[in-house]
Amino acid sequence: GAGVSQSPSNKVTEKGKDVELRCDPISGHTALYWYRQRLGQGLEFLIYFQGNSAPDKSGLPSDRFSAERTGESVSTLTIQRTQQEDSAVYLCASSSGVAGGYEQYFGPGTRLTVT
Amino acid sequence: DQQVKQNSPSLSVQEGRISILNCDYTNSMFDYFLWYKKYPAEGPTFLISISSIKDKNEDGRFTVFLNKSAKHLSLHIVPSQPGDSAVYFCAAMDTGRRALTFGSGTRLQVQP
Repeated sequence: GAGVSQSPSNKVTEKGKDVELRCDPISGHTALYWYRQRLGQGLEFLIYFQGNSAPDKSGLPSDRFSAERTGESVSTLTIQRTQQEDSAVYLCASSSGVAGGYEQYFGPGTRLTVT
Repeated sequence: DQQVKQNSPSLSVQEGRISILNCDYTNSMFDYFLWYKKYPAEGPTFLISISSIKDKNEDGRFTVFLNKSAKHLSLHIVPSQPGDSAVYFCAAMDTGRRALTFGSGTRLQVQP
């Protein structure tokens, strides 16, 4: 596709359950990012993948959060034992990853509600 | 500690006039800055960016100004149009790390 896609668009889960969120980056983009936006707040960085390098996990809020990426394509963000404070819109972005290609292009997000 | 601040939560301007959105940052490691526009239920859309080696970048109706000594940047939209009504986010990057740090956003309303 032409842009970043994410699925599902909405997810409602019960506290304590695990959830998986998926991101398909723009074709050819080697860099992939996950952010989240809680209600009324700005976007918070979670994790960054660049090619085969070790991911930058410095933004993950707890060890309940993890992410994987298959090569330079799809990424999955997993939240284990969800808590109500995990409720947010989770946004994925990709960029070309080449020197100077800093602009990040975002998907529509997954709205996660933990009840 | 907010490293990127947008102190005006909202701004209202008349169609055809200039919109000026402001952003301040504190981290001197930031060397690349971006503006994004966001509509409800959509992801942020990239608008314009500027490197710290420049003080101005222009793209059509959008111009970004950077004052490194003041750690301040601004986005000018001229002329403003009703379709510009959205939330605008300022973002900053240390290009050695690539992660974006976002401000809290300014809601712009352009009145017809």
